[in-house]
Amino acid sequence: EPEVTQTPSHQVTQMGQEVILRCVPISNHLYFYWYRQILGQKVEFLVSFYNNEISEKSEIFDDQFSVERPDGSNFTLKIRSTKLEDSAMYFCASRGLAGKNTGELFFGEGSRLTVL
Amino acid sequence: SQQGEEDPQALSIQEGENATMNCSYKTSINNLQWYRQNSGRGLVHLILIRSNEREKHSGRLRVTLDTSKKSSSLLITASRAADTASYFCATDRDDKIIFGKGTRLHILP
Repeated sequence: EPEVTQTPSHQVTQMGQEVILRCVPISNHLYFYWYRQILGQKVEFLVSFYNNEISEKSEIFDDQFSVERPDGSNFTLKIRSTKLEDSAMYFCASRGLAGKNTGELFFGEGSRLTVL
Repeated sequence: SQQGEEDPQALSIQEGENATMNCSYKTSINNLQWYRQNSGRGLVHLILIRSNEREKHSGRLRVTLDTSKKSSSLLITASRAADTASYFCATDRDDKIIFGKGTRLHILP
């Protein structure tokens, strides 16, 4: 069964460093998302991406964050200068050809980011 | 805020009993979805109910939606130990799918 894959599963970084989290969405999906979840807490929307551009973003997704789909398969989240409060689990999700408003999200298993 | 809010935050029931979780939200929606998350894992889609639907069933799951009250409920019948997880409602509007804080369900043997 097709699945969303995320790498790395866990990354430890120093405050102020740049981090890139990678996702490979399901191959025929067109809509891509990043969420984060601070340990045991709510799942927070960061950004949605369609047709090579951001379609929606939350107030969390400030200038320190960026997303890219560099090669038609990967979907990346970059945090330019990490802060302690960026420590969280980051989930990538994708949605299929049924289109927005009609389809379920498929989630990866997450990338745990620890900022020291 | 569009965000759904689940109630209760935590629920412990005996195996075999039914579990009911509620979700309230604030804005108009296109559909509402329920997801499940096992500890430390990704979220898994359970069921989607469209804004023009009132009730939907899938196996042991029953979802209701009342758009006039901006609320939804998820019923899991005949609970099993494997149902122990966190359950989230998610409101879907345009291209923003917003999750609530979740209900932690614990099934006691």
